[in-house]
Amino acid sequence: NAGVTQTPKFQVLKTGQSMTLQCAQDMNHNSMYWYRQDPGMGLRLIYYSASEGTTDKGEVPNGYNVSRLNKREFSLRLESAAPSQTSVYFCASSVTGGSKNIQYFGAGTRLSVL
Amino acid sequence: AQSVTQLDSQVPVFEEAPVELRCNYSSSVSVYLFWYVQYPNQGLQLLLKYLSGSTLVESINGFEAEFNKSQTSFHLRKPSVHISDTAEYFCAVRTPGGTSYGKLTFGQGTILTVHP
Repeated sequence: NAGVTQTPKFQVLKTGQSMTLQCAQDMNHNSMYWYRQDPGMGLRLIYYSASEGTTDKGEVPNGYNVSRLNKREFSLRLESAAPSQTSVYFCASSVTGGSKNIQYFGAGTRLSVL
Repeated sequence: AQSVTQLDSQVPVFEEAPVELRCNYSSSVSVYLFWYVQYPNQGLQLLLKYLSGSTLVESINGFEAEFNKSQTSFHLRKPSVHISDTAEYFCAVRTPGGTSYGKLTFGQGTILTVHP
């Protein structure tokens, strides 16, 4: 069972470079999410997608863009990376609505921006 | 708006000792409550959840949490910890109903370290 798969697992960028973090889920979930995790701050929501074709900003969207490519895939793009974007990024997915809306997480992408 | 506060950033304990990880939340409406666990270099896994009904919920590996509405708390407890429980634990809250995508609000995390 793959669940939520994130690529790459690790990445080092120079300031100003761009990159796309990939996320795919095989659980037929409608909703997908991108979080960043920083020490002492828990997880903060960057963007989410309630369903295919829709995306909305979360708590910390500045400097990021997303694409819900299809029901399975939700990518996060950094157009011009900054050191403040050094973090661990998690993708999650869930069914939409109701008590069954439990989020399942990928293993994370560890990003360093120099 | 809702918020979650985990009162301890780090909790060191000895193996077989009891532990309590504290979580308080703030919300103007009813909530669903969750504890997630993150083992080193892994993603988050759901440990247990409170949605409705009995205020005491249990996980398969011996953890339990009690929803206390009057104190707006959802503390996590285990009577006897193992080395393998060493991990970071996150409390999270979500409002039921309303928007369908169910955004989670996370606490800051508590690192539990179990010493032999």
